[in-house]
Amino acid sequence: DIQMTQSPSSVSASVGDRVTITCRASQGIRSWLAWYQQKPGTAPKLLIYAASTLQTGVPSRFSGSGSETDFTLTISSLQPEDSATYYCQQANNFPYTFGQGTKLEIK
Amino acid sequence: VQLVESGGDLVKPGGSLRLSCAASRFIFSDYYMTWIRQAPGKGLEWISYISDTGGYTNYADSVKGRFTISRDNAKNSLYLHMNGLRGEDTAVYYCARGQYSYAYWGQGTLVTVSS
Repeated sequence: DIQMTQSPSSVSASVGDRVTITCRASQGIRSWLAWYQQKPGTAPKLLIYAASTLQTGVPSRFSGSGSETDFTLTISSLQPEDSATYYCQQANNFPYTFGQGTKLEIK
Repeated sequence: VQLVESGGDLVKPGGSLRLSCAASRFIFSDYYMTWIRQAPGKGLEWISYISDTGGYTNYADSVKGRFTISRDNAKNSLYLHMNGLRGEDTAVYYCARGQYSYAYWGQGTLVTVSS
């Protein structure tokens, strides 16, 4: 199975900060990567697919980049509502796998 | 798009359960569908998907041979038949629309496996 490793596991940042979360795949996955945001008690929300395509309705402060094994999710100017856990997910090989999550807190 | 899961319950180890996902407000038969679960306080785990016609399925190793995904396009419904349940199957189970990434999710249904 492809292992997806996110870093950091948790991060605390201030409103207006630029925040970057990384996701590393144990083998190349081309651009078959998605990013999700999950708030407590709710289903995940798709932010980015195909590594860098912004899902309709997602604010433009979110962006994704990378290919093969190294990917990043960037929030350009952190907002209070961005407090959540973020997951990456690969869809290149079965079984599809998620990263362990990155918990983002607002200072 | 609306996805509503049901069927979650408390079940004893070794028991069986069938989860359902009722889909509405889109053409169900046009889309692959997926089950994803989340153990309490843990991350997300992809467990199974089924093609639009139901002719192709795939499973995570953790559930292969115990769980079966199916669909009834006439009823706009997705199912997950779970046998041989174990404590580690305790989770919220989500159905989601899509093959590679998931823009639409249900609210989840809780399965608890405990004696």
